Formats: sequence, structure tokens, C-alpha cells
Amino acid sequence: GENVEQHPSTLSVQEGDSAVIKCTYSDSASNYFPWYKQELGKGPQLIIDIRSNVGEKKDQRIAVTLNKTAKHFSLHITETQPEDSAVYFCAASFRGGSQGNLIFGKGTKLSVKP
Amino acid sequence: NAGVTQTPKFRVLKTGQSMTLLCAQDMNHEYMYWYRQDPGMGLRLIHYSVGEGTTAKGEVPDGYNVSRLKKQNFLLGLESAAPSQTSVYFCASSLGLAGGPWTDTQYFGPGTRLTVL
Repeated sequence: GENVEQHPSTLSVQEGDSAVIKCTYSDSASNYFPWYKQELGKGPQLIIDIRSNVGEKKDQRIAVTLNKTAKHFSLHITETQPEDSAVYFCAASFRGGSQGNLIFGKGTKLSVKP
Repeated sequence: NAGVTQTPKFRVLKTGQSMTLLCAQDMNHEYMYWYRQDPGMGLRLIHYSVGEGTTAKGEVPDGYNVSRLKKQNFLLGLESAAPSQTSVYFCASSLGLAGGPWTDTQYFGPGTRLTVL
């Protein structure tokens, strides 16, 4: 079936450094790619998303890039802060079949050390 | 706006017992979803609904049933709970764009932690 691979599974950075999380997807028809942040004990919260007609999108310290040819997309966080520590999930849209609509990666636990 | 709310927050069941998880949203969203989250597995779709009175199966529907009698509510039922259903359950909703649920921004509730002994 369709899947989304996410790397790394854990990432530790010093405060102020940049963090990069990468995802690859298998369905060439996927056209929507959201990123979610999940803090301990809470539900996932959308932080940024990108659609297939755009190659890059930025929102303050967060950016997402998309390479449709290679079928991968990445999350970039600059000037990391301790409050960025959380689990981050990528997802890709999937049309049809029994797997529903969004396929999620398995998550990246980001730790930002002060 | 409360957004997406889930009831209860925690529950412990014995094998074979039944229960219903309630999800409510006050954003007038058309689409609603139920996911389960297990360690190292990410989020997996159980069932979803594209409107009042409709339901559809997701990736892992076995052992669960759902109902969407009112637009704002989406119920997830476990008829005979099994230890394999121990998980954290998340409900989500989205506006309902013309492109379908696969291109829609989803908003998640806080989750229900279920343990089946």
C-alpha cells in the first residue's frame, strides 16, 4: 500500500541551531502535504502545509520544501527554541483505496537543548 | 470556539466490554475522522465521514463502528474491546473542500487514552 517514510526518528539540536526533517511518499498523485506538531499529552496541531503546485513555503522560522520529481518534502526550523521540542509528523494525501485520505509518517521527536 | 472536543479523556476497559467515544466540533465542518495512535506507528485512520449520515472505512476499521447522526458529532464504538485496541484515539475534522478529504486541513482533538485489560 501507499506509505510515507519519515527521517530521522529522533533529532537533538542546540538552541539556535536549525533542524531538518525529511519525508518521502510513494503515491505520485499526492498533492497535499501537511506538517503537524504534537506536544506531550496533546493532539497534533497543524504548523504548515504545502500543495503540489508550490515548491516552497515559509512561515516565520518554519519552511517546507517539496520536490515532486523525487517525491520528497522537508520541514526546516531555523533558530530553534526549547518550545520547539515536540514530535513532528509529516503526511501526504492519498486518493481512494481503503487507506483513507492522509497517510502519516511515524514521527520525529525533536529535542532542543538550551 | 472550543474546536474539536473528545469525551472521555481516559478510560480503562476489561476485555469484552463495550464503549463509545464521543467527538464534537463547533466549526461547522463537513468531514470528520477517527484515528488511533500507537507508539512508533504514527496516526492510522480508522473511519471517516464526509457528511451527516455518511461513514467510510479507513486503514484499520476492524473491531470499530461509527455513526454520524448529527453534523457536529462523530461517535466511535467498540462492541467487544480487545487488548489490541489499547491506544490513544484522536478525532479530527475538516472544512470540506471540493477536492475531497484528502486535500483538506484537519484539526485534531486532545485525544482519548484507552486501556483494555
